Amino acid sequence: QKEVEQDPGPLSVPEGAIVSLNCTYSNSAFQYFMWYRQYSRKGPELLMYTYSSGNKEDGRFTAQVDKSSKYISLFIRDSQPSDSATYLCAMSEGNQFYFGTGTSLTVIP
Amino acid sequence: ETGVTQSPTHLIKTRGQQVTLRCSSQSGHNTVSWYQQALGQGPQFIFQYYREEENGRGNFPPRFSGLQFPNYSSELNVNALELDDSALYLCASSSPGTEKLFFGSGTQLSVL
Repeated sequence: QKEVEQDPGPLSVPEGAIVSLNCTYSNSAFQYFMWYRQYSRKGPELLMYTYSSGNKEDGRFTAQVDKSSKYISLFIRDSQPSDSATYLCAMSEGNQFYFGTGTSLTVIP
Repeated sequence: ETGVTQSPTHLIKTRGQQVTLRCSSQSGHNTVSWYQQALGQGPQFIFQYYREEENGRGNFPPRFSGLQFPNYSSELNVNALELDDSALYLCASSSPGTEKLFFGSGTQLSVL
């Protein structure tokens, strides 16, 4: 069983839709939870960073962490074609980060 | 503020050869981590360097080695290349006490 599980998609939505991306994990020692966005042939870009259970909002993005269920989510409101990318969840234990496989998202104009 | 820069952007090698990849960390960051990202997969942790010492290692064989220099830049060396080493190699820098990694654009390595 992988440390972090993420549905690879692909996910295709119309412009303006609400997007929900999810990851589950097995290691209860994970302390920090992150979402990265990766465009084709580029390095991942940090989008959201959370520590505790609960919600964190930044513009059109909301990150949700449920430590009791070992489940994290990223919601994108009013999705735009520029949001088309691969979204990676990541979790850390000490100085080691564990990434999901990424979900490929396409927002259709 | 300069971001993380990596060189070269692309590299083609043959099996058995050796390769060196380079990374300059973001201004103010003294910790560098290296990740391997195979096609369709998430990045996998190779190792981290802090104050010129290896500070944690993932499940990679000893033929993957690294260095960090006094200016915090870093190198990743891979000996005896195998076909499965073909991947995007990502460098990320961070400041101690934060859990935020900032990635470069990566080096795409192809082993033929």
